[in-house]
Amino acid sequence: EPEVTQTPSHQVTQMGQEVILRCVPISNHLYFYWYRQILGQKVEFLVSFYNNEISEKSEIFDDQFSVERPDGSNFTLKIRSTKLEDSAMYFCASSGQGRDTQYFGPGTRLTVL
Amino acid sequence: GENVGLHLPTLSVQEGDNSIINCAYSNSASDYFIWYKQESGKGPQFIIDIRSNMDKRQGQRVTVLLNKTVKHLSLQIAATQPGDSAVYFCAETSSSNTGKLIFGQGTTLQVKP
Repeated sequence: EPEVTQTPSHQVTQMGQEVILRCVPISNHLYFYWYRQILGQKVEFLVSFYNNEISEKSEIFDDQFSVERPDGSNFTLKIRSTKLEDSAMYFCASSGQGRDTQYFGPGTRLTVL
Repeated sequence: GENVGLHLPTLSVQEGDNSIINCAYSNSASDYFIWYKQESGKGPQFIIDIRSNMDKRQGQRVTVLLNKTVKHLSLQIAATQPGDSAVYFCAETSSSNTGKLIFGQGTTLQVKP
């Protein structure tokens, strides 16, 4: 069964450093998403991406965040200058159509020291 | 405004009993609802979904009920098993076509053997 994969599973970084979180969505999906989950809290939407552009972003997704689909398979989330409060689980998701079922990856745990 | 929330933070049931997890939403324009299961350290896993033109949908051991009049969603799990122990989130799509999911707070289901 096809699944969304994410790397790394855990990323530790120093405050102010740049991080890139990587995702490989399900191969025939067209819509891609990033969500985050601070420990013990609910999952929060960050950004949706379709046809090589952002279709919607939340207020969390400020100028420090960017997304890219550098090739036909990867979808990345970059945080330019990490802050302590960026520590969270980051989930990538993909769906076939915009309002179709979203399938989530296993997440990357980001720890900012 | 957009608000999806859960009534109870923790539900404890005996193995073999039926479980009912509830969710309230406030956006009457929401028309697609999903239940996700999240096990510790993993990403949300799709369980079942329902569109607003339905009031009930059944899967394997799970049933979702939608009451649009009171904006209430529930997940019923029949013959609950230890493997059902997890956090359960309801989610809704916004009225836009981006597929952005808005998650509730989550209910922890504990199954006692």
